Amino acid sequence: GNSVTQMEGPVTLSEEAFLTINCTYTATGYPSLFWYVQYPGEGLQLLLKATKADDKGSNKGFEATYRKETTSFHLEKGSVQVSDSAVYFCALTGTGANNLFFGTGTRLTVIP
Amino acid sequence: GAGVSQSPSNKVTEKGKDVELRCDPISGHTALYWYRQSLGQGLEFLIYFQGNSAPDKSGLPSDRFSAERTGGSVSTLTIQRTQQEDSAVYLCASSSARTGRNGELFFGEGSRLTVL
Repeated sequence: GNSVTQMEGPVTLSEEAFLTINCTYTATGYPSLFWYVQYPGEGLQLLLKATKADDKGSNKGFEATYRKETTSFHLEKGSVQVSDSAVYFCALTGTGANNLFFGTGTRLTVIP
Repeated sequence: GAGVSQSPSNKVTEKGKDVELRCDPISGHTALYWYRQSLGQGLEFLIYFQGNSAPDKSGLPSDRFSAERTGGSVSTLTIQRTQQEDSAVYLCASSSARTGRNGELFFGEGSRLTVL
């Protein structure tokens, strides 16, 4: 079945550091891939997505590229800010699926 | 409010009691989802409602779990005879037909259930 494996946290970085959170997936068919973010005290919200191989999703300075050959969708940001402190979830869906399959989440803390 | 609203935000109950968790989706959203997040686990799909169609209950872990959605809006997740392993954060999400096709779900803040 469809599943995602993401890098275990927590991750602590200094402000302006480079961020990578790894995500790999297993899926039948051609899933769409997503990163969701949960800021403290808020519900999960969509950060970015990619719907086919080699697509790059981007938002708020974050990027992730859909790599079919390595079944990966790693999240990157060149320079993190304190306000990026949150829990990040990788997710995927299959064609016609009614739901998303989520990873375990990675907590990021950015210190000034 | 404009977002998905869940209540209660926290619930502590004794083993064997029944609990009800409520979700108020975004107005006009036709799809409603329930997920469960246990410590160290990803979000586990429980159930999905879409309009007037029969719900997809494939994720419910046992027959102690049930959910209803009245009038195509508010949903209640009921857990009967709670067990300690039911302790988790229960998340509700909704989507419109358009956003659902794009994989964009709008989540509430969740209901944290603790079974003693």
